[in-house]
Amino acid sequence: DIQMTQSPASLSASLGETVSIECLASEDIYNNLAWYQQKPGKSPQLLIYYASSLQDGVPSRFSGSGSGTQYSLKINSLESEDAATYFCLQDSEYPYTFGAGTKLELK
Amino acid sequence: EVQLVESGGGLVQPGRSMKLSCAASGFTFSNYGMAWVRQAPTKGLEWVATISYDGSSTYYRDSVKGRFTISRDNAKSTLYLQMNSLRSEDTATYYCTRQRYYYFDYWGQGVMVTVSS
Repeated sequence: DIQMTQSPASLSASLGETVSIECLASEDIYNNLAWYQQKPGKSPQLLIYYASSLQDGVPSRFSGSGSGTQYSLKINSLESEDAATYFCLQDSEYPYTFGAGTKLELK
Repeated sequence: EVQLVESGGGLVQPGRSMKLSCAASGFTFSNYGMAWVRQAPTKGLEWVATISYDGSSTYYRDSVKGRFTISRDNAKSTLYLQMNSLRSEDTATYYCTRQRYYYFDYWGQGVMVTVSS
């Protein structure tokens, strides 16, 4: 199975700051990487697919990058609504695997 | 508007069975693969099973293989998950998801399954 190592597990940032979240795959996943946002008590929402494609309706302050085994999600100009847990997903091969999640807290 | 509405969860004893349903609307159900993803309380996300758009192909994680069956009724726009021989470690919120190409683009609100005596 492909292991997804996500970091950091948590981070705290201020409104207007820029943050990055990383996911490292145990093998090449050929850009088959998606990012999700989940707020407490809610279902996950797709932000990014194919490593860098922005899902319709998602603010442009979210961006994804990476290739091979290393991927990242960047959030520019943090807003209060961005407080959530973020997960990466490798959809390169079954079994699909998620990162453990990054809890983003706004100061 | 894409909507996925799960039902059928609840409390079940270990070793017993339960069937989840997911009613889909707002898109042509028969054009998309569908999947179940679960999340144990305060834990991360775990892919469970996927079924192709026409039901001809299915995929399962090892821990549920032989116990769970994913199926679909395209005439009713409904996805199912038959869960047999349930274990305490199956306790989770189960999400129905639409699979666009490979990734999951829409998720239901989730249904809780608790396996406990």
